[in-house]
Amino acid sequence: DSGVTQTPKHLITATGQRVTLRCSPRSGDLSVYWYQQSLDQGLQFLIQYYNGEERAKGNILERFSAQQFPDLHSELNLSSLELGDSALYFCASSVGLQRESKGGGGYTFGSGTRLTVV
Amino acid sequence: GNSVTQMEGPVTLSEEAFLTINCTYTATGYPSLFWYVQYPGEGLQLLLKATKADDKGSNKGFEATYRKETTSFHLEKGSVQVSDSAVYFCALSGSDTGGFKTIFGAGTRLFVKA
Repeated sequence: DSGVTQTPKHLITATGQRVTLRCSPRSGDLSVYWYQQSLDQGLQFLIQYYNGEERAKGNILERFSAQQFPDLHSELNLSSLELGDSALYFCASSVGLQRESKGGGGYTFGSGTRLTVV
Repeated sequence: GNSVTQMEGPVTLSEEAFLTINCTYTATGYPSLFWYVQYPGEGLQLLLKATKADDKGSNKGFEATYRKETTSFHLEKGSVQVSDSAVYFCALSGSDTGGFKTIFGAGTRLFVKA
């Protein structure tokens, strides 16, 4: 157990629907990162939050949004789902801002949510 | 911007063979470098890291040396086991256009046969 908890582990939904993925970071970690992993595109960075505030955005679609709550858990919302959104979605956490630690601590990843859009 | 390039897989080896997975990077300044491993059905796990030139990261028999002169961070293991079968990701953390970022390579799948 890495300490990062993601729920649900599996999700099957229809095109056009909306889903919410949840992540609880490792105890003490303030930063949360969301990644999408698909077979043909590898690991794609979506978005980062630090202590409740958005800090960086990657290749996140406008149909996707996220937030980090006061208790530091984060949710990734995916709407108007398309077949191509089927992928593994990972959450990772780190102690603080990577810049301050020169990235030295690395990330702790959750085990992911496998989303299948049918 | 910063980038990470790692050798394409899959890499297939017999048990006890020597492993090298190549990783090269492009970055400004002095990034930190990482190797992560992803076992089937699991998330990525930090395997080893190096934060400055000539540092050697090591863990579980795996090693990688931060070579600034060749901008490389190749992963090596002297004798692989079937349990090492996984996908290995090279990653870089450093300043880049738009801020400080961590970026991952495309991953290299390793199969080890008994």
